[in-house]
Amino acid sequence: QKEVEQDPGPLSVPEGAIVSLNCTYSNSAFQYFMWYRQYSRKGPELLMYTYSSGNKEDGRFTAQVDKSSKYISLFIRDSQPSDSATYLCAMWGDTGNQFYFGTGTSLTVIP
Amino acid sequence: ETGVTQSPTHLIKTRGQQVTLRCSSQSGHNTVSWYQQALGQGPQFIFQYYREEENGRGNFPPRFSGLQFPNYSSELNVNALELDDSALYLCASSQLAASSYEQYFGPGTRLTVT
Repeated sequence: QKEVEQDPGPLSVPEGAIVSLNCTYSNSAFQYFMWYRQYSRKGPELLMYTYSSGNKEDGRFTAQVDKSSKYISLFIRDSQPSDSATYLCAMWGDTGNQFYFGTGTSLTVIP
Repeated sequence: ETGVTQSPTHLIKTRGQQVTLRCSSQSGHNTVSWYQQALGQGPQFIFQYYREEENGRGNFPPRFSGLQFPNYSSELNVNALELDDSALYLCASSQLAASSYEQYFGPGTRLTVT
């Protein structure tokens, strides 16, 4: 079993839709949960990070963590064509300074 | 504040050769991590350097080695290149003491091994 599982998609939505991206994990040592956005042939860009369970909002983006279910989500409201990218979840904790990434979900927002 | 930079952007090598990739960390950051990202996959952790010492390593063979310099820049060296080493190599920097989970990536070096 992989440490982090993420549905690779692809996901295609119309402009203005609400997007939900999800990851599950197996390691209870994970304490910090990150979401990165990666445009084609570029490095990942840190969008948000959260600690432990709960919600965190930043503009159109909301990150949600449910540690009891080992499940994290990223919601994008009022999606824009510029949101078209691959979204990677990542996790870090008492794991030897190692980050664990999901495989990424490819998102296309259609104008 | 300058971001993370990497060089070269692209590189083509032949199987069996050796390669050195370079990374300059973001201003104020003292920790550098290296990742390998194969096409369609998430980044895989290679190792991390803090104060010029290796500070954690993923599941990569010894032919993957690194260095960190006093100015916190870093190199990734790969010996005896294999076809499967073809990937995007990413460097990320962070402040270990403050928030190691908050790391910032460079644009990557795309390595092709033929």
